[in-house]
Amino acid sequence: AQSVTQLDSQVPVFEEAPVELRCNYSSSVSVYLFWYVQYPNQGLQLLLKYLSGSTLVKGINGFEAEFNKSQTSFHLRKPSVHISDTAEYFCAVSDATDSWGKFQFGAGTQVVVTP
Amino acid sequence: GAVVSQHPSWVICKSGTSVKIECRSLDFQATTMFWYRQFPKQSLMLMATSNEGSKATYEQGVEKDKFLINHASLTLSTLTVTSAHPEDSSFYICSASGIYEQYFGPGTRLTVT
Repeated sequence: AQSVTQLDSQVPVFEEAPVELRCNYSSSVSVYLFWYVQYPNQGLQLLLKYLSGSTLVKGINGFEAEFNKSQTSFHLRKPSVHISDTAEYFCAVSDATDSWGKFQFGAGTQVVVTP
Repeated sequence: GAVVSQHPSWVICKSGTSVKIECRSLDFQATTMFWYRQFPKQSLMLMATSNEGSKATYEQGVEKDKFLINHASLTLSTLTVTSAHPEDSSFYICSASGIYEQYFGPGTRLTVT
């Protein structure tokens, strides 16, 4: 079984400042890793995913994340945030040996961008 | 890109009644779909795995007789909340498996009064 820990429940950040959202996971098997964003009363939108290959993953809207196997982390970063980045962000892990698409989600990080 | 729809997007029902939520993959076939529940300001919790043509697999602690899942075709899975109670009020989200990506529906907000 896997578990996902998002270390910050809320991250306040000023517009145009950088942001980093931390995600750590634990698993005894190989995993796939994902970051999703959720706007109020909406479903999830995929920001980026790591399946294999390069550990630095670039996603949509200027987000990127780095897979660090030794530290079992998959932190999400954006060099300059916009007001529209205010949302809930979820880190998710999927067992690479289990049913494709079966996710374990972290508790979420609320990003609040202020002018 | 692939799209997953849910219907209805919002439903209010009286305690004791049953509610059916549909999840459709609009432009691809999904042999496997997943149902999640999200309480306010909380994360998504996997409820069950829905496989086309076979019985759903429920996560520990999820009552299979209360949350009936039917995956009758490659594009449709339904979740029926039977004898709903106020504690079943939640945001229900489905997802469908594509190739190397999981597509999430927009969610259904259920309010039981």
